[in-house]
Amino acid sequence: DGGITQSPKYLFRKEGQNVTLSCEQNLNHDAMYWYRQDPGQGLRLIYYSQIVNDFQKGDIAEGYSVSREKKESFPLTVTSAQKNPTAFYLCASSTVGDEQYFGPGTRLTVT
Amino acid sequence: GENVEQHPSTLSVQEGDSAVIKCTYSDSASNYFPWYKQELGKRPQLIIDIRSNVGEKKDQRIAVTLNKTAKHFSLHITETQPEDSAVYFCAASMGSNDYKLSFGAGTTVTVRA
Repeated sequence: DGGITQSPKYLFRKEGQNVTLSCEQNLNHDAMYWYRQDPGQGLRLIYYSQIVNDFQKGDIAEGYSVSREKKESFPLTVTSAQKNPTAFYLCASSTVGDEQYFGPGTRLTVT
Repeated sequence: GENVEQHPSTLSVQEGDSAVIKCTYSDSASNYFPWYKQELGKRPQLIIDIRSNVGEKKDQRIAVTLNKTAKHFSLHITETQPEDSAVYFCAASMGSNDYKLSFGAGTTVTVRA
């Protein structure tokens, strides 16, 4: 399935708690991405990273944070500042200007 | 930034008929246009892509056309089958100049048996 994994598949949290979603790839891709998917809204870019120790905000970065300490890993933290965190989160990776491979996703529910 | 619009949002076709999904983009610097298929509860998967140096690309029952002047591109599925039922997303990026993909909102395709 493309060598990109996300965990956990389902995650439940109480409002006010920070939560970290894992994304790992063994494809030797330089670039990694986080998207949020809501019904009827397509995929919206949260953060992306082109190289280790560097990342850029996407279109909806508020309330989220990331790190890129290793080429293989790009964890996403959903902070308590994110007003509506319940969503399906997808991680992806790619080489330069090429196809993005997606992970299986994490469905986060915050109550 | 890039803005991608996708139409229609839903599409119902009879098995064996063709399906066409259209997308427009705003940034003339965009040069890479992939199409992804997402089945219910699963990850998006690339089905076909096109770069700005060609006008059309075909892979079996799927084809994509690109009109750079008008800044629009389309997905064509011929001889539709029930397994073609899914959500389809178009996207655009500046390729090697910018890794980011901007996605359309998606088209839910239902193939009626």
